[in-house]
Amino acid sequence: QLQLQESGPGLVKPSQTLSLTCSVSYAAITSGDFYWSWIRQPPGMGLEWIGYIYYSGSTFYNPSLESRLTMSVDTSKNHFSLRLGSVTAADTAVYYCARSGTYKKNFFDSWGQGTLVTVSS
Amino acid sequence: EIVMTQSPATLSVSPGETATLSCRVSKSVSGNLAWYQQKPGQAPRLLIYGASTRATGIPARFTGSGSGTEFTLTIRSLQSEDFAVYYCQQHDNWPPEFTFGQGTKLEIK
Repeated sequence: QLQLQESGPGLVKPSQTLSLTCSVSYAAITSGDFYWSWIRQPPGMGLEWIGYIYYSGSTFYNPSLESRLTMSVDTSKNHFSLRLGSVTAADTAVYYCARSGTYKKNFFDSWGQGTLVTVSS
Repeated sequence: EIVMTQSPATLSVSPGETATLSCRVSKSVSGNLAWYQQKPGQAPRLLIYGASTRATGIPARFTGSGSGTEFTLTIRSLQSEDFAVYYCQQHDNWPPEFTFGQGTKLEIK
């Protein structure tokens, strides 16, 4: 049973960089059938997709966040990471990592438990 | 950009009854629509994909229907664990445009 686990600081200062890692267990991140995404949810609000990465390193980002966003993958550690720069209070949210499929199967069938990141001085 | 509109925002239904949730999409996505359930403090869980296919372990009381731009999630014989927020997401276009509806909160009447 695939497991995803987010990790990283729970508190980030404004203007700094938010960094999170998603560790994947019981499945190989190198499977060509899947993409690996970050999704966030501000307190009391809905879901916002941030971006995805393929095991090859190719990425696709939400245009609204693209200028501040970098995603990377480490296949040797079976994990992928998120860096979001120049954060503000508006970036405070629960951050989830999730897996989706390929063409026409790009729905999220597995999710991490989520990690709350608060942007505050 | 594809816009997902869910209605109603909040739905009050008594246990044992049937809940009907709607999702409208701004352009046709054929049958490529997913539904998720989210309980407080938990990650979303995939319920339905391909408009009507239940994900692994999802009870038969959850039924998805629709195609094109109009979709429905029906939950029969509501149980206490079904009261949650439900989101729809289209999975038709490529590269994927991952947009979710704003959610419908299903609450106990």
